Amino acid sequence: GAVVSQHPSWVICKSGTSVKIECRSLDFQATTMFWYRQFPKQSLMLMATSNEGSKATYEQGVEKDKFLINHASLTLSTLTVTSAHPEDSSFYICSARGQGFNSPLHFGNGTRLTVT
Amino acid sequence: AQSVTQPDIHITVSEGASLELRCNYSYGATPYLFWYVQSPGQGLQLLLKYFSGDTLVQGIKGFEAEFKRSQSSFNLRKPSVHWSDAAEYFCAVGVVPSNDYKLSFGAGTTVTVRA
Repeated sequence: GAVVSQHPSWVICKSGTSVKIECRSLDFQATTMFWYRQFPKQSLMLMATSNEGSKATYEQGVEKDKFLINHASLTLSTLTVTSAHPEDSSFYICSARGQGFNSPLHFGNGTRLTVT
Repeated sequence: AQSVTQPDIHITVSEGASLELRCNYSYGATPYLFWYVQSPGQGLQLLLKYFSGDTLVQGIKGFEAEFKRSQSSFNLRKPSVHWSDAAEYFCAVGVVPSNDYKLSFGAGTTVTVRA
């Protein structure tokens, strides 16, 4: 079945540094990818939608200069958390959707980010 | 805008017993409904989805869900729970499939299975 690979699965970084998270669709072309953030014991909050070759669409309240999203190819989207702060610590999950009207969403296994 | 309510934050069930997780949605048109399961530290796995047609939907791992338009509900059920079913369960509603395909998730229900 379709697989979405997310890397790294966990990362610890120092405050002020930037962290890049990759989301790859391994056996299908993902025209659309989504980035979610999940706080402990809470639901997933959509951060942004990225379409290959165009700028990402950010949800209200999400800082686009803070969370840089690039979707340069049909199999790869990246989320870069710039100048990370402890409050950015969270679980980030990507999902990818293939082409076709009813193509399903496939989720990555998430990235646990801890900013110290 | 669409929204999802999962009234039960935490459910404890004995192994072998039946399980029902409630989900209510708010959406102005025909909803696209999903149930996902998440194990600790993992991503989400799709259990089942409803787009149209038969309102009783069969999914993986022995789960089923019934869409009831009159009650704006999409409850998930399993006749006999296994210890491996302990996880977090999310109900989600999506807009009509489009380029955006946005999902709104409920707050989740944590299922604990006791021996």
